Amino acid sequence: QKEVEQNSGPLSVPEGAIASLNCTYSDRGSQSFFWYRQYSGKSPELIMSIYSNGDKEDGRFTAQLNKASQYVSLLIRDSQPSDSATYLCAARMDSSYKLIFGSGTRLLVRP
Amino acid sequence: KAGVTQTPRYLIKTRGQQVTLSCSPISGHRSVSWYQQTPGQGLQFLFEYFSETQRNKGNFPGRFSGRQFSNSRSEMNVSTLELGDSALYLCASSNRPGEHSTDTQYFGPGTRLTVL
Repeated sequence: QKEVEQNSGPLSVPEGAIASLNCTYSDRGSQSFFWYRQYSGKSPELIMSIYSNGDKEDGRFTAQLNKASQYVSLLIRDSQPSDSATYLCAARMDSSYKLIFGSGTRLLVRP
Repeated sequence: KAGVTQTPRYLIKTRGQQVTLSCSPISGHRSVSWYQQTPGQGLQFLFEYFSETQRNKGNFPGRFSGRQFSNSRSEMNVSTLELGDSALYLCASSNRPGEHSTDTQYFGPGTRLTVL
């Protein structure tokens, strides 16, 4: 069983809609969680980090963390075609930078 | 401030050869991590360095090695290349030691290695 699980998608949403991306993790020792966006042929770009239970908002993005359920999500409001990319969820135990990545969810935003 | 730079950006090698990849972190960053990305296995952690010390190593064979220099620049080496080593090799840097939940790292553009 992979330590960080994501649905590979593609998740297709119309422009302007809310895209909801989900991630589960198996290691309860994981403390910090990250969402990276990766365009085809490019390197991952950090979108959000979250380490406390609850919601964290940054512009059109909201990350949600539920440690009891071992669940992390990313909501993208007012989705734009430029948001079409693969979204990678990563978990980290504190005291190191060893990130465990999920396999990514491909998001397609239809104009 | 310049981002993480990796050289070369593209590399073609043949089986059995060895290769060295270089990473220059963002100025002032002392932590460097390396990852391998393949279509089948996704992004996998290779190793992490902080102030010239390897702090963590992923589950890769001994053919994969790395080091960090006093100026924080890092190199990784793969010996006796195999076809399965074809991948995008990513370097990430941070100005924090990674001890706190809020510490984050930033990725470079990667080196695309093709093994023939």
